[in-house]
Amino acid sequence: GAVVSQHPSRVICKSGTSVKIECRSLDFQATTMFWYRQFPKQSLMLMATSNEGSKATYEQGVEKDKFLINHASLTLSTLTVTSAHPEDSSFYICSASDRGYGYTFGSGTRLTVV
Amino acid sequence: GQQLNQSPQSMFIQEGEDVSMNCTSSSIFNTWLWYKQDPGEGPVLLIALYKAGELTSNGRLTAQFGITRKDSFLNISASIPSDVGIYFCAGPRGGGSNYKLTFGKGTLLTVNP
Repeated sequence: GAVVSQHPSRVICKSGTSVKIECRSLDFQATTMFWYRQFPKQSLMLMATSNEGSKATYEQGVEKDKFLINHASLTLSTLTVTSAHPEDSSFYICSASDRGYGYTFGSGTRLTVV
Repeated sequence: GQQLNQSPQSMFIQEGEDVSMNCTSSSIFNTWLWYKQDPGEGPVLLIALYKAGELTSNGRLTAQFGITRKDSFLNISASIPSDVGIYFCAGPRGGGSNYKLTFGKGTLLTVNP
């Protein structure tokens, strides 16, 4: 079946630094990838839709200059959290679309900003 | 916008008991998806439903796509400790090739051995 690899699984960074999270589709090509954010005991909140070869589409209220998304190939999308602050600490999850419904998820990245 | 109302919010059951959870929406969905999320992991797809009235099983899990297309339920029979986790319903919204998933708020399942 479809496999999505997300790296790193955990990262701790200092406030003001930037962090890059990678999402790879291992056995299929993903023209579309999705990035979610999840707070403790809450549901997944869609941040943006990443489209290969074009700009990402951000959901309302998500700062595109804060959360930079690059989808340079059909198997890789990256999310960079720029100038991270403690309030950016969260669980970030990517999803890759292999049939148009985006239902294969990565294992998530726990970001802690100190 | 499209929202999914999932209930119950949490459940505490004994091993061996059956579980039922459901999702409702004020809007029609053409697909219903049920996911399970373990702590610190991403969601894993359990069952996908594509047709109104469809009843689909995956081992001890059974899910149905409501005939009105506005609801779905998930049943787990003879629960075991590894069933612990958060269960989400989800449905795609949007069109074209960029379907976005709308998620319910989740049902936290605790199974006591």
